[in-house]
Amino acid sequence: KQEVTQIPAALSVPEGENLVLNCSFTDSAIYNLQWFRQDPGKGLTSLLLIQSSQREQTSGRLNASLDKSSGRSTLYIAASQPGDSATYLCAVDDDYKLSFGAGTTVTVRA
Amino acid sequence: SQTIHQWPATLVQPVGSPLSLECTVEGTSNPNLYWYRQAAGRGLQLLFYSVGIGQISSEVPQNLSASRPQDRQFILSSKKLLLSDSGFYLCAWRTSTDTQYFGPGTRLTVL
Repeated sequence: KQEVTQIPAALSVPEGENLVLNCSFTDSAIYNLQWFRQDPGKGLTSLLLIQSSQREQTSGRLNASLDKSSGRSTLYIAASQPGDSATYLCAVDDDYKLSFGAGTTVTVRA
Repeated sequence: SQTIHQWPATLVQPVGSPLSLECTVEGTSNPNLYWYRQAAGRGLQLLFYSVGIGQISSEVPQNLSASRPQDRQFILSSKKLLLSDSGFYLCAWRTSTDTQYFGPGTRLTVL
């Protein structure tokens, strides 16, 4: 059974600092890995999807890397803003089903 | 563009009462559909998924059930709610490029 772990559980940084969020998974036989954002009481917003054959994906200030062999992914958010405050979830897709980590709750202080 | 709807947005139900949550998707056909639950302080748990009308796969044995009566409609039900059924229920669909998009969710409180 796939186990997904996200470290740290919570992170607080001043505005402008770069964010580094980590995700690890136990079974490397995956189709893809996705990063989501969740605001309090809301549904999930898809941020980035990395196919198993890719090493990284970028969208604006967001960059996600994938090292499938070691079972790790990292989400980088450059020049953080207060609007980046949210919970970030990593999800691994194996057999067309997502296994989620518990998330990292980010607070960006103005 | 594709849109996913869920209702109701919030629900408070007594223990032992029935449940019906509805999810509909617009702007796509024959989507893969999913029901997830997010309990307080815990990650998302996949409950059911469906690859077509009448085709339901259950991931976790419990007192919930799902049905897909139409191509873009996915329903989550229970005959008798338990306290442990409280949580945030999310419906999602999968695109042809494997991205999953989520609905706004239903907050269920069982008292």
